[in-house]
Amino acid sequence: KQEVTQIPAALSVPEGENLVLNCSFTDSAIYNLQWFRQDPGKGLTSLLLIQSSQREQTSGRLNASLDKSSGRSTLYIAASQPGDSATYLCAVRRAPGNMLTFGGGTRLMVKP
Amino acid sequence: DAMVIQNPRYQVTQFGKPVTLSCSQTLNHNVMYWYQQKSSQAPKLLFHYYDKDFNNEADTPDNFQSRRPNTSFCFLDIRSPGLGDAAMYLCATSRSRGGDEQYFGPGTRLTVT
Repeated sequence: KQEVTQIPAALSVPEGENLVLNCSFTDSAIYNLQWFRQDPGKGLTSLLLIQSSQREQTSGRLNASLDKSSGRSTLYIAASQPGDSATYLCAVRRAPGNMLTFGGGTRLMVKP
Repeated sequence: DAMVIQNPRYQVTQFGKPVTLSCSQTLNHNVMYWYQQKSSQAPKLLFHYYDKDFNNEADTPDNFQSRRPNTSFCFLDIRSPGLGDAAMYLCATSRSRGGDEQYFGPGTRLTVT
């Protein structure tokens, strides 16, 4: 059974700092991985979808990398801003047609 | 803008009183999902529809049912809510089940008194 872990559970950084959020999964045979952002009391916003054949995806200040063999993905946020404060969730899909397995999330606070 | 809409955003119901949550989408996606998310936990998939084909997760309680009358709408029915059913309920869609990106609605926060 796939297990997805995100460490740390919470992170606080000063504004402007570059930071890395980690996601690890126990079964490296994944189809794709998706990073989401969730603001308090709100739904999930998709940030990046990275296919198993890809090494990374970029969107603005966000860069997601994937190392399938080691069962790891990282989300790099450059020049963090207070507006980046949210919970970041990663989720993996084992195969086409399978459902997403979510990690527990990392709660990020960026202090002005 | 194409989007996933959930109504109501906040719902209060009494213990044992049936409640229905609504989700609609303008994306014309084939797949619609319902997730339950309790405080500080990851979303947990309850079930999904692929077109009219209903797929229940093995550990979803019988208390939870769903209806999809057409492509645009999907409903979550909780027949007899218990205190443990208080949670955020998230609706999501994807174009297909093949591995496409999932798009989430804003969620409905359910309180059971």
